[in-house]
Amino acid sequence: AQTVTQSQPEMSVQEAETVTLSCTYDTSESDYYLFWYKQPPSRQMILVIRQEAYKQQNATENRFSVNFQKAAKSFSLKISDSQLGDAAMYFCAYNGQGGSEKLVFGKGMKLTVNP
Amino acid sequence: ETGVTQSPTHLIKTRGQQVTLRCSSQSGHNTVSWYQQALGQGPQFIFQYYREEENGRGNFPPRFSGLQFPNYSSELNVNALELDDSALYLCASSSAGGPYNSPLHFGNGTRLTVT
Repeated sequence: AQTVTQSQPEMSVQEAETVTLSCTYDTSESDYYLFWYKQPPSRQMILVIRQEAYKQQNATENRFSVNFQKAAKSFSLKISDSQLGDAAMYFCAYNGQGGSEKLVFGKGMKLTVNP
Repeated sequence: ETGVTQSPTHLIKTRGQQVTLRCSSQSGHNTVSWYQQALGQGPQFIFQYYREEENGRGNFPPRFSGLQFPNYSSELNVNALELDDSALYLCASSSAGGPYNSPLHFGNGTRLTVT
């Protein structure tokens, strides 16, 4: 079974600074998808960025980028120019082959942004 | 377009009772997934419905059941409630094709407390 590990339960960053959130996963599949979701106090899970394992190029979405290391099974999220609105729980998630909707989530990490 | 709406927002039930949670999908989506998020944990996949048929299930007992209606709205039913069923229940809708090709749109969840 696939597992996703987020070893840092909490992090803080100063507004306008850069922060990196770490995530590792375990799988025997060769092709899969990885995601970072954000969950603000409203509780709604919001997709931040996604990466297909088959693609070697790291995904970027505006201030958000990933460092995908397939051999190391590592998928970290970098947030540049942090904003107060970035404060939330961040979850790393895995989706395997077969077209299933099933996402396997990590336990999450609480990000605090200090003004 | 309207987003995913879940009802009720909060619910308190007694151990042994039954509960029904509801979810209205985003317009144009034909797939619904349900997740259970215990306090301090990441969401866990319960099951998925595609065109009114269960199409994938996580490691949850049969007392967790669901329905999807012709308008693609959905219900999650839990029988014989246990204290450990206390959690945030998240519904997510999407078009078919997996979370990478058709991102999941989550609702704000239903907070269930079992006493």
